Amino acid sequence: QQQVKQSPQSLIVQKGGISIINCAYENTAFDYFPWYQQFPGKGPALLIAIRPDVSEKKEGRFTISFNKSAKQFSLHIMDSQPGDSATYFCAARKGGGADGLTFGKGTHLIIQP
Amino acid sequence: KAGVTQTPRYLIKTRGQQVTLSCSPISGHRSVSWYQQTPGQGLQFLFEYFSETQRNKGNFPGRFSGRQFSNSRSEMNVSTLELGDSALYLCASNPTGLVDEQFFGPGTRLTVL
Repeated sequence: QQQVKQSPQSLIVQKGGISIINCAYENTAFDYFPWYQQFPGKGPALLIAIRPDVSEKKEGRFTISFNKSAKQFSLHIMDSQPGDSATYFCAARKGGGADGLTFGKGTHLIIQP
Repeated sequence: KAGVTQTPRYLIKTRGQQVTLSCSPISGHRSVSWYQQTPGQGLQFLFEYFSETQRNKGNFPGRFSGRQFSNSRSEMNVSTLELGDSALYLCASNPTGLVDEQFFGPGTRLTVL
């Protein structure tokens, strides 16, 4: 049972464009939703995270939009740059405990110069 | 502060053998989690340790085990290796396990022949 569904699997965006990656979750007990960025040969690194009490969070060029009623959240990368080319994972976790992160399958993003 | 370190970085084993992977968390971090990353299944939670105790376990067979030492360093062991165990094994740490941000290491690439 895939508890976090991520789309698209791959995405090509022109430099300067907006990259949008979507995730949907099933477990309403999740209350922490991070996005991770992974470059080849490296472990995932936390990019930005949100809790369901807010609908949007922005950090620099990265924005998370969160829709609690639809159980969906998305990552927007504004002014996408070639250095943003990486694999992005959404994740979810039940807060306050020792549960591991439940990850989406990942999106391979390529920013064309 | 040094990041999460994992050794070895690469490992080749044959079916039926066993393997032990090591993880040193960020100094002061007492929680260590392990994840398996494969192209087909993505990132999956294996288990989490805090103060030498396993607090949570993912849906993996008993061949996968781990432990944590008093200095918070952790090892995971896979016995009777199968071809399907070929994966990137990632270790993540955080101060208490109750803080949501997980800091990942670069992983150990295990190949089973």
